[in-house]
Amino acid sequence: EVQLVESGGGLAQPGGSLRLSCAASGFAFNTFWMHWVRQAPGKGLVWVSNIYGDGSTTTYADSVTGRFTISRDNAKNTLYLQMNSLRADDTGVYYCARDRGYMLDLWGQGTPVTVSS
Amino acid sequence: QTVVTQEPSFSVSPGGTVTLTCGLSSGSVSSTYYPSWYQQTPGQAPRTLIYSTSTRSSGVPDRFSGSILGNKAALTITGAQADDESDYYCVLYMGSGLWVFGGGTKLTVL
Repeated sequence: EVQLVESGGGLAQPGGSLRLSCAASGFAFNTFWMHWVRQAPGKGLVWVSNIYGDGSTTTYADSVTGRFTISRDNAKNTLYLQMNSLRADDTGVYYCARDRGYMLDLWGQGTPVTVSS
Repeated sequence: QTVVTQEPSFSVSPGGTVTLTCGLSSGSVSSTYYPSWYQQTPGQAPRTLIYSTSTRSSGVPDRFSGSILGNKAALTITGAQADDESDYYCVLYMGSGLWVFGGGTKLTVL
């Protein structure tokens, strides 16, 4: 089955860290750009970051640059998001998504992140 | 910083037609921004509707269509149905790997 399954979300303190994972199955993971998109409670979708198929190119939204790191392990068909120096406004549901040529055609179910003391 | 603009809310009668738009705080949207549209209902992951301005994603009914209208990308729903009541998001590719979502439009069908 073609799917993305996120994990790793939870509660973190301000200034703390979390690492999100996104396990891909059913498709040639290493041939696709992959993205992270987040959604604060009751708010809209916000693009966070993306990474090229071989991991050689990464891009970040200004709001997370220097704090978040996207990476992938193509041998494990897994995408990651390392989140450091977390802030309250990083709270939300984090989705991974597959990029099929300027369109996000496959989404995971999301993993919730709460940053609070 | 570039802001992608969408109407916060819109209302349409069942069977009616509605056009949602996606603009830029500065400048015009063109096909070079590869506008795409996503539908999201509460608690669910987004669903892809339209990509590359006007191409429908697999399985999307043809009552959904995309275009460029003036200086904005547009999503038109023709013959709106009750289950079209959702949040709709556009996203633009800004170049250099950067993407920006609009704030979303909450569509009510009544």
